[in-house]
Amino acid sequence: DQQVKQNSPSLSVQEGRISILNCDYTNSMFDYFLWYKKYPAEGPTFLISISSIKDKNEDGRFTVFLNKSAKHLSLHIVPSQPGDSAVYFCAAKGSSNTGKLIFGQGTTLQVKP
Amino acid sequence: DVKVTQSSRYLVKRTGEKVFLECVQDMDHENMFWYRQDPGLGLRLIYFSYDVKMKEKGDIPEGYSVSREKKERFSLILESASTNQTSMYLCASGGYGEGQPQHFGDGTRLSIL
Repeated sequence: DQQVKQNSPSLSVQEGRISILNCDYTNSMFDYFLWYKKYPAEGPTFLISISSIKDKNEDGRFTVFLNKSAKHLSLHIVPSQPGDSAVYFCAAKGSSNTGKLIFGQGTTLQVKP
Repeated sequence: DVKVTQSSRYLVKRTGEKVFLECVQDMDHENMFWYRQDPGLGLRLIYFSYDVKMKEKGDIPEGYSVSREKKERFSLILESASTNQTSMYLCASGGYGEGQPQHFGDGTRLSIL
């Protein structure tokens, strides 16, 4: 049972445009959501997170939106740059202090120059 | 900066061998994790540890064991390697407390022949 889903395996956008990556979840007890970026042959790097008590968090070009009623979150990248081309994973954390995360399948973003 | 170091970037082993993957972190984190990443499946948690000598099974523990004798070191053991364990293995540490992210190593690409 996939508790965190990224239904789009890939996304292609033009440089300078907005990239929107989506993520759905099923468990209403998740209290934090995180986005990671992964380049080939490297480990995932943390991008941005959002608490379940908020609906938006912004950091530079990256903004995460959370819609709790729809159990949906999205990552907006504006403006997109070729260096943003990578696999993006969303992850959800439960309320325990083990820090255990549940990851989605990932979305490969390609930003074309 | 947090540093998570995995002992090998690439490893080739034979079916039936016992395989050890080592991970060291330098931030005194209590929590450490082992994941495998496969195309279309995202990151799946194999085992995690929240303290020295403490471990818990993740979502796919079958065929694996772990060891945490020192706080900074977390080892993943494939007891008798099989071809379906060919994968990218990622170690992470951290994640304790509200919204604190996990930090990942660069991964070990393991091929079982």
